[in-house]
Amino acid sequence: GQNIDQPTEMTATEGAIVQINCTYQTSGFNGLFWYQQHAGEAPTFLSYNVLDGLEEKGRFSSFLSRSKGYSYLLLKELQMKDSASYLCAVHSISGGYNKLIFGAGTRLAVHP
Amino acid sequence: EPEVTQTPSHQVTQMGQEVILRCVPISNHLYFYWYRQILGQKVEFLVSFYNNEISEKSEIFDDQFSVERPDGSNFTLKIRSTKLEDSAMYFCASSERDRDRVSGETQYFGPGTRLLVL
Repeated sequence: GQNIDQPTEMTATEGAIVQINCTYQTSGFNGLFWYQQHAGEAPTFLSYNVLDGLEEKGRFSSFLSRSKGYSYLLLKELQMKDSASYLCAVHSISGGYNKLIFGAGTRLAVHP
Repeated sequence: EPEVTQTPSHQVTQMGQEVILRCVPISNHLYFYWYRQILGQKVEFLVSFYNNEISEKSEIFDDQFSVERPDGSNFTLKIRSTKLEDSAMYFCASSERDRDRVSGETQYFGPGTRLLVL
């Protein structure tokens, strides 16, 4: 079966660092996406990890360990606008065709 | 920057009615998708579409659902006879699917259509 786990909610202080973890058990794994979703809006792309290791992009970094079925998203220098849901999504390929399997999302609240 | 667009932004319909949700994917993309998100729940894959045919569909995508690319730009999702449980946000997404480039795999989402079935 397909299983993706991430914490339901997190809180953090403006200017701080927060790490959002994601563990997965899926078939046809081809990579892992992180998306940001503000309430009532579409998911917006943050990062995509295919190989093990850390990908850094400005204030956002994402890490993947394929052998452990584990990823995290690291947000630095938190700003109030970072308050949103962060969605971990496995990129699954079967039969040559691909789809995203989403976790339930982690709702992050950044407070002053 | 190119983006996926969707119309309408909101749709209210009576149970049993047909609805058509429209999407214009990013112009050089070849792979198209529909996802839905019931309020407060996770984003769920419905269907993927490539080369004018369905490539994969989920258990949710039953005979009441169909997709079509009627012309060179639009991609539609039709629900033939809506049920109360079809109330959700429906997202269209597209990707280049160039496996030689990381960015080619990224699925870009439209703003969604909020469907309410009464």
